[in-house]
Amino acid sequence: DAKTTQPTSMDCAEGRAANLPCNHSTISGNEYVYWYRQIHSQGPQYIIHGLKNNETNEMASLIITEDRKSSTLILPHATLRDTAVYYCIVSRKSSNDYKLSFGAGTTVTVRA
Amino acid sequence: DTAVSQTPKYLVTQMGNDKSIKCEQNLGHDTMYWYKQDSKKFLKIMFSYNNKELIINETVPNRFSPKSPDKAHLNLHINSLELGDSAVYFCASSHPDLAHGYTFGSGTRLTVV
Repeated sequence: DAKTTQPTSMDCAEGRAANLPCNHSTISGNEYVYWYRQIHSQGPQYIIHGLKNNETNEMASLIITEDRKSSTLILPHATLRDTAVYYCIVSRKSSNDYKLSFGAGTTVTVRA
Repeated sequence: DTAVSQTPKYLVTQMGNDKSIKCEQNLGHDTMYWYKQDSKKFLKIMFSYNNKELIINETVPNRFSPKSPDKAHLNLHINSLELGDSAVYFCASSHPDLAHGYTFGSGTRLTVV
């Protein structure tokens, strides 16, 4: 599976949009971009995923560049509860042998 | 509530003991996983099962033995516990088409003393 590169940490202001970048320059055509987050002392939580089109759900938006070598997760109105480690993961969406491999992620701190 | 539930939430035990962590999901998922998160906070997959069949077995010591009595349960048994086994263990499950990714449990914090 392709590797990803994320900033180690970032701060954002409460109520503002948080834009989390992720580079995945070696992504293959059949690999998806997944985003998860882990709030302190909790299990990781699925946020969103996409292949090449931009995606939006009730939690966030995912913008994938046309060449698919990078993506941005957007939290439209960050709250204090969005403080967490955010993981960008690239992986095949196959069947039985699928596995998610987590990197170090980006520690996002939302400040009042 | 629909969820992935793990028990116990905390486990403190002495070196050399044998312990088990239980995981159950009522989401109807076919695939279940065990992940380990060490003190450096990296999450690493240990095992995955699909319909009770072992699919992924990463380089995990033989002291760790997963058991899946049915597709809703995946338990983790650890023999001869060592200090280095101290970590948070997460169970997860997923639907085959991964439409909503993985659903993780809340974790079991294992401390070996």
